[in-house]
Amino acid sequence: NAGVTQTPKFQVLKTGQSMTLQCAQDMNHEYMSWYRQDPGMGLRLIHYSVGAGITDQGEVPNGYNVSRSTTEDFPLRLLSAAPSQTSVYFCASTPRRATGELFFGEGSRLTVL
Amino acid sequence: GDSVTQMEGPVTLSEEAFLTINCTYTATGYPSLFWYVQYPGEGLQLLLKATKADDKGSNKGFEATYRKETTSFHLEKGSVQVSDSAVYFCALSGGSQGNLIFGKGTKLSVKP
Repeated sequence: NAGVTQTPKFQVLKTGQSMTLQCAQDMNHEYMSWYRQDPGMGLRLIHYSVGAGITDQGEVPNGYNVSRSTTEDFPLRLLSAAPSQTSVYFCASTPRRATGELFFGEGSRLTVL
Repeated sequence: GDSVTQMEGPVTLSEEAFLTINCTYTATGYPSLFWYVQYPGEGLQLLLKATKADDKGSNKGFEATYRKETTSFHLEKGSVQVSDSAVYFCALSGGSQGNLIFGKGTKLSVKP
């Protein structure tokens, strides 16, 4: 059972470059979300989706775009990378938005030089 | 807005010691409360949860009780093992967006 799969696991970018972090889940979960984890800051919500075709902003959405064309996939796009976006990114899913029982991917470590 | 406050880490214990990690929260309404654990190099995974006041969540020897009167959800384990070394996150649901709000995490290191 694959669960939540994130790619790539590691990425180094230069300031101004764009890239997409991929997230896929095979559990048919309606709800998916992206968090970033920074030292001393815990996890902060970037964007989330309650179903295909529906996305919304979280706590720290600036500089990121998302789309949800299928139930399975929820990519996170960095339009013009900045050093402040150096972080570990986690994708998560849950069958229902309100349960709080999130299933997390293994994370993607991004460094922006 | 809703928030979670955890004790600062890191916490270093010897094997078989008693563990307490404090967690307090601020929330409107009646949130569910969670403890997540992150082992080195991995994503977070749910450790235990409680959905209403006085509920006790438990798993793998860890326990936490939802205390509405003190707005707390402290994590405890009677005898820690080296394999418990990880980062522990307290979280609540039921915020304005219905998403999880996490504390900053507490790193636990257990020495043999």
